Amino acid sequence: QSVLTQPPSVSGAPGQRVTISCTGSSSNIGAVYSVHWYQQLPGKAPKLLIYGTSNRPSGVPDRFSGSKSGTSASLAITGLQAEDEADYYCQSYDNSLSAWVFGGGTKLAVL
Amino acid sequence: EVQLVESGGGLVQPGGSLRLSCAASGFTFSISSMNWVRQAPGKGLEWVSYINSIMTDIRYANSVKGRFTISRDNAKNSLFLQMNYLRAEDTALYYCAKGLTGTNPDSFDIWGQGTMVTVSS
Repeated sequence: QSVLTQPPSVSGAPGQRVTISCTGSSSNIGAVYSVHWYQQLPGKAPKLLIYGTSNRPSGVPDRFSGSKSGTSASLAITGLQAEDEADYYCQSYDNSLSAWVFGGGTKLAVL
Repeated sequence: EVQLVESGGGLVQPGGSLRLSCAASGFTFSISSMNWVRQAPGKGLEWVSYINSIMTDIRYANSVKGRFTISRDNAKNSLFLQMNYLRAEDTALYYCAKGLTGTNPDSFDIWGQGTMVTVSS
């Protein structure tokens, strides 16, 4: 059972927009801590996609965006492409656990 | 090229020990916070341990506290994870990951390719 809750899977057609939710609590997302998102392509190491809730590292397309409200955060992907098929993980810090915590991951299928 | 390369994984019996290493290159390791993150086969990511640049702040997940020890050698640009009293549930691909800003808590911007640890009799 992950501290942060994500839907197991989402899907969309090429060109569409999809969102992935990440629900936490008052000890993590609902506190002062940022949310980060990672993309893991099949058989590869995770890659930082969004940091500080809504910032993109250099090289990440602006099709990817992040937001946060209350105890939840979201990753939005617009103009869906076949290469976006991957697992996506949210991450935050939990002050009651004194630990970095990840969501269980969401598998994105591009139909 | 910015790179992290893990090594030291393998097959070990329950109750045994293993020491993982992570060699860093292409960035200033000595001012970077570092982490170990693991991923059991077919499962999600689990943060394992954190160490700041000057080794004054060290943290562990509850699942490994008292059994694992993180350390680093800034002169050799290397990160380590000493794993003792290994259990079957420690079986996973272990990644080392660099903190983005060096402040706490941080996101992880550079990841290695991982080293596999299998605990089985």
